[in-house]
Amino acid sequence: SQTIHQWPATLVQPVGSPLSLECTVEGTSNPNLYWYRQAAGRGLQLLFYSVGIGQISSEVPQNLSASRPQDRQFILSSKKLLLSDSGFYLCAWERLVFYGYTFGSGTRLTVV
Amino acid sequence: AQTVTQSQPEMSVQEAETVTLSCTYDTSESDYYLFWYKQPPSRQMILVIRQEAYKQQNATENRFSVNFQKAAKSFSLKISDSQLGDAAMYFCAYIGGNQFYFGTGTSLTVIP
Repeated sequence: SQTIHQWPATLVQPVGSPLSLECTVEGTSNPNLYWYRQAAGRGLQLLFYSVGIGQISSEVPQNLSASRPQDRQFILSSKKLLLSDSGFYLCAWERLVFYGYTFGSGTRLTVV
Repeated sequence: AQTVTQSQPEMSVQEAETVTLSCTYDTSESDYYLFWYKQPPSRQMILVIRQEAYKQQNATENRFSVNFQKAAKSFSLKISDSQLGDAAMYFCAYIGGNQFYFGTGTSLTVIP
């Protein structure tokens, strides 16, 4: 069966520090991968998606970047965090669109 | 442009009663997929139910069912025999052009 792992679960980082959130999928190959951000009490904002290794599409220009170094690995990064980067970050994957997304357990990021 | 609208930011239901959450969407596509996701306090996003637009029959999953009105572009979620564990944020989602569009969510409270 397919599983998705996302870590860390919680992160508190100072302004200006770097960020690296990791997401891996097991039990499938060539998944479409997504990073979403959810501000407190708000909906989901698509940040990046990837349809293959090295293929990254950005939806919102901002302080973040994403990379896909391996087929089932998706990394969200920042060189210097801003206060506005605080939020709940969700990784998701889908193999076939009509099955919907499967989400990771999320990372709660607080920038202080 | 595709949009998904959830007009009820908050809803409440008495335990064991039935509640309906509303969702409308806008699209020019004829073939698409619709989903309801549940986000409990743990913030893990869980797929509740999905509907293929070409199927006229409404999808059901145990106590969860949808009322899909394609002409009206409406996709409501009915929860029967509400349980305390149903308390969560519920997101309606539409997929078109290989991207998901999420509504802003409805927060459901279940009253014991």
